[in-house]
Amino acid sequence: RKEVEQDPGPFNVPEGATVAFNCTYSNSASQSFFWYRQDCRKEPKLLMSVYSSGNEDGRFTAQLNRASQYISLLIRDSKLSDSATYLCVVNTNAGKSTFGDGTTLTVKP
Amino acid sequence: NAGVTQTPKFQVLKTGQSMTLQCAQDMNHNSMYWYRQDPGMGLRLIYYSASEGTTDKGEVPNGYNVSRLNKREFSLRLESAAPSQTSVYFCASSGVGWGPIGYTFGSGTRLTVV
Repeated sequence: RKEVEQDPGPFNVPEGATVAFNCTYSNSASQSFFWYRQDCRKEPKLLMSVYSSGNEDGRFTAQLNRASQYISLLIRDSKLSDSATYLCVVNTNAGKSTFGDGTTLTVKP
Repeated sequence: NAGVTQTPKFQVLKTGQSMTLQCAQDMNHNSMYWYRQDPGMGLRLIYYSASEGTTDKGEVPNGYNVSRLNKREFSLRLESAAPSQTSVYFCASSGVGWGPIGYTFGSGTRLTVV
């Protein structure tokens, strides 16, 4: 079993839809969590950190469920420009980072 | 600011050739990293440097060496390239150890070994 698992998708949604991705992690010592966005043939870029209380940035909402060991990313009112691969990253307190393989989102007109 | 700069952007090597990938950051970050990304897969850590003067192995270090030349620069060397090293290589830096502020990545080096 991988330490960090994501549904690879692809998720194909129409513009304006709401879509959610989950990411599960196996190491209960994990301390910090992030979502990155990666466009085709580009470098990953930090989208948002995930805080225990949940956090929102515009149309994006991130949640952490420590009991069930997963994080989620919710995108509301999807735009064409949201089409990308979304990577979750989990860090332990020992400083180890593990990347998920990514979830691909395609938003269609 | 340039952020993290990697060179070259593309490279084709023959099996057995050597090369060095260069990475420099201008954000005064202490920690720097080299990752590889293969198609459909997540990033895997090759080597990292928590601070100037230190380097440590990551998940997939075999076939690679690194040098933390100074606080700004962290290079990755392939001594004898193999087709299995065909990949996209990303350099990254982080300001406070491993986070929680996250990484800044360079634009990547697409390496093909034939």
